[in-house]
Amino acid sequence: NAGVTQTPKFRVLKTGQSMTLLCAQDMNHEYMYWYRQDPGMGLRLIHYSVGEGTTAKGEVPDGYNVSRLKKQNFLLGLESAAPSQTSVYFCASRDQVNQPQHFGDGTRLSIL
Amino acid sequence: DQQVKQNSPSLSVQEGRISILNCDYTNSMFDYFLWYKKYPAEGPTFLISISSIKDKNEDGRFTVFLNKSAKHLSLHIVPSQPGDSAVYFCAARVDTNAGKSTFGDGTTLTVKP
Repeated sequence: NAGVTQTPKFRVLKTGQSMTLLCAQDMNHEYMYWYRQDPGMGLRLIHYSVGEGTTAKGEVPDGYNVSRLKKQNFLLGLESAAPSQTSVYFCASRDQVNQPQHFGDGTRLSIL
Repeated sequence: DQQVKQNSPSLSVQEGRISILNCDYTNSMFDYFLWYKKYPAEGPTFLISISSIKDKNEDGRFTVFLNKSAKHLSLHIVPSQPGDSAVYFCAARVDTNAGKSTFGDGTTLTVKP
């Protein structure tokens, strides 16, 4: 029962480098989400998708891009990493309305 | 403007006693509320939810109460167990809005044996 799998679990980047975080879910969920969590704070929505081929901006989208080419995968990209993007990133997926989100275990990203 | 607030960053209770975690919200359009539990180095996991048409939902040791007029919800854990020690997040959403949830900052619950 994999659920939501995030790759990688940890990463250290230098300022200006780029990288892609991968989220994969095996529950055939339509909705997928990317959040970031900073120390002492709740989860803030970066981008989300309501289905294959769709993406939309969340609360804090600047500096990030996303793609959902396949229903099971939701990719989060950082084109030019900045220290302010040091955070723990969580991916989540959800089925229909009135259902909870299922979260991955997070990617801890440090940008020096 | 934080729409979901958990005003207590931490709570400590004795094993066997009741734990009460509180959450306030400002957006009257929210119609679905959830509590998630998070252990270190893991993702949040769903605990219990409540629709705005109800004022109470119970699941085993966990009960969520919703007071719409006060825009307040609370999570009761009875009896509390050491394994309940975790960070608890309150979340709220408008269910027609792609299910985008707004989260509080979390309350760290410590249950002492």
